[in-house]
Amino acid sequence: SQQGEEDPQALSIQEGENATMNCSYKTSINNLQWYRQNSGRGLVHLILIRSNEREKHSGRLRVTLDTSKKSSSLLITASRAADTASYFCATPTGTASKLTFGTGTRLQVTL
Amino acid sequence: ETGVTQSPTHLIKTRGQQVTLRCSSQSGHNTVSWYQQALGQGPQFIFQYYREEENGRGNFPPRFSGLQFPNYSSELNVNALELDDSALYLCASSLASVGTSGQETQYFGPGTRLLVL
Repeated sequence: SQQGEEDPQALSIQEGENATMNCSYKTSINNLQWYRQNSGRGLVHLILIRSNEREKHSGRLRVTLDTSKKSSSLLITASRAADTASYFCATPTGTASKLTFGTGTRLQVTL
Repeated sequence: ETGVTQSPTHLIKTRGQQVTLRCSSQSGHNTVSWYQQALGQGPQFIFQYYREEENGRGNFPPRFSGLQFPNYSSELNVNALELDDSALYLCASSLASVGTSGQETQYFGPGTRLLVL
């Protein structure tokens, strides 16, 4: 079963615009992670935000976390064609560091 | 590049056959997790190995089994293949220690795409 649900499922924007993706999750967490996946290949870890953090930045990425609403958002500023990919949120659960992924947002950035 | 490698990259099998997928973890990592990703879905956790022992399992039947070797590389074995086993299989390695469970970053390999006919 999926822990998180990303919204929207698909997003198409032009290069230079900002892209915002949202993630909702169900259970309490100690951190939330965002990953990128290009064309059905391996996942690349983008950023981890801990449950006691509200906002975190990494380059053009900005992640927010609202534990009271069990939601997170990923903002990509000044998007580039190379940002075209699927983006997943994931939360570790249990003692095995099992990552439970959301359903993903497919981002298409056009020139 | 994460330093995690998987083999083979693609594989075609028929129903009822058995398959073994391999993963070499990033140098220095002691934990390997396996995930199944069906087309259009997020990855689903299969199981995790920590220092050669299974350390958690997802909702997969016993015909999904695994091994971790002393060098921390790992195998995923699937017996009696079914059509629904067609998916991208991802492994992820990490460096875990007592008290850091869930905090460590997992580094994913490129995946093995399995097609069952």
